[in-house]
Amino acid sequence: QSVLTQPPSASGTPGQRVTISCSGSSSNIGSNTVNWYQQLPGTAPKLLIYSNNQRPSGVPDRFSGSKSGTSASLAISGLQSEDEADYYCAAWDDSHWVFGGGTKLTVL
Amino acid sequence: QLQLQESGPGLVKPSETLSLTCTVSGGSISSSSYYWGWIRQPPGKGLEWIGSIYYSGSTYYNPSLKSRVTISVDTSKNQFSLKLSSVTAADTAVYYCARTMIDWGQGTMVTVSS
Repeated sequence: QSVLTQPPSASGTPGQRVTISCSGSSSNIGSNTVNWYQQLPGTAPKLLIYSNNQRPSGVPDRFSGSKSGTSASLAISGLQSEDEADYYCAAWDDSHWVFGGGTKLTVL
Repeated sequence: QLQLQESGPGLVKPSETLSLTCTVSGGSISSSSYYWGWIRQPPGKGLEWIGSIYYSGSTYYNPSLKSRVTISVDTSKNQFSLKLSSVTAADTAVYYCARTMIDWGQGTMVTVSS
């Protein structure tokens, strides 16, 4: 069981906006920033969002992150077929990193 | 362009020690701006952070693995390493090395089996 809680699956049609949630506690999300990772099939995870809402160079602005209290969210607007992947949230928690269980995004 | 490459045995026997190395190219492992770590992913499952080592030598480990894990740095080779002792089938996973949880290697599959 993961320390951070994510829905196991999410879906949307091309062009739609989808949101993936990540719920934690005061010791992790509540007091530290959140990263989001995208893992395409058969590849290593790639940093998508850091410090709650910052995008690394090269990440499209269709991807956005937010945090409120002990929860965080990843939003993907203008959904594209290539966005079909697993998404993970992560945060520092009292001297160690913790991950969410991952959300499998399906583009219908 | 920073690159991280994991290497080590793909098969380890139960009760033995898993040893992996991450070779860093395109950047210095001695930089005080970064820390270096290991993450793993069992087949079909999610990500699990194993531990990290800082420039100062300070290490942080997953509490659930702490008794079995050692992470070290070899600045002369621009490499850092993972040792996980007393492995079982539950340690079968793809092991990733990473810089500051930002840049990741491609991963290496390690199977624990006799």
